[in-house]
Amino acid sequence: AQSVAQPEDQVNVAEGNPLTVKCTYSVSGNPYLFWYVQYPNRGLQFLLKYITGDNLVKGSYGFEAEFNKSQTSFHLKKPSALVSDSALYFCAVRPPTNTDKLIFGTGTRLQVFP
Amino acid sequence: DAGITQSPRHKVTETGTPVTLRCHQTENHRYMYWYRQDPGHGLRLIHYSYGVKDTDKGEVSDGYSVSRSKTEDFLLTLESATSSQTSVYFCAIRIAGGPGGELFFGEGSRLTVL
Repeated sequence: AQSVAQPEDQVNVAEGNPLTVKCTYSVSGNPYLFWYVQYPNRGLQFLLKYITGDNLVKGSYGFEAEFNKSQTSFHLKKPSALVSDSALYFCAVRPPTNTDKLIFGTGTRLQVFP
Repeated sequence: DAGITQSPRHKVTETGTPVTLRCHQTENHRYMYWYRQDPGHGLRLIHYSYGVKDTDKGEVSDGYSVSRSKTEDFLLTLESATSSQTSVYFCAIRIAGGPGGELFFGEGSRLTVL
């Protein structure tokens, strides 16, 4: 079955430290991968995507993500976390066999402490 | 910036009553989606549309129907609401770009079924 896994319900990091939010996927073929962020009582906002090409993708607010085909992962990273980065983060995959749909993970809550 | 409006933003209803949620876009994007968000489940696709009168089911479509009689409006109907349909519902549109196009989300509709 096509799926996305976010193994950590919550990630805690101190402000100024690097952060990583993990995502792995299970689809056939080469996927289209996305990261979204959700602030309280708001809709999801697009952060970045991987379609093809360079495995390191840069996005909004200083975030980046690395596509690793052999490990079927697409981890979200930021070199220096801010308290304002605290939010709910979702990884999503669009399978190449059904490009109509976008499948989301269960989300990871990022908490950045001052 | 894509304009997308959901209505109502909040609704409380009783079990067995019909409910319709409306999603309106100000641009002519072809693809529109309805998701529900529940703790521990992330976002799950209910139905989506790839054009006027063209719709298809997502992973949690039971108990829901949709209609799209014009490009700008996508309606989600709960024919007979149940408590298990208490959730936050998000509408999304796919920004142009083929299968690599990201989704842009509305602010959500919080539905409580008593």
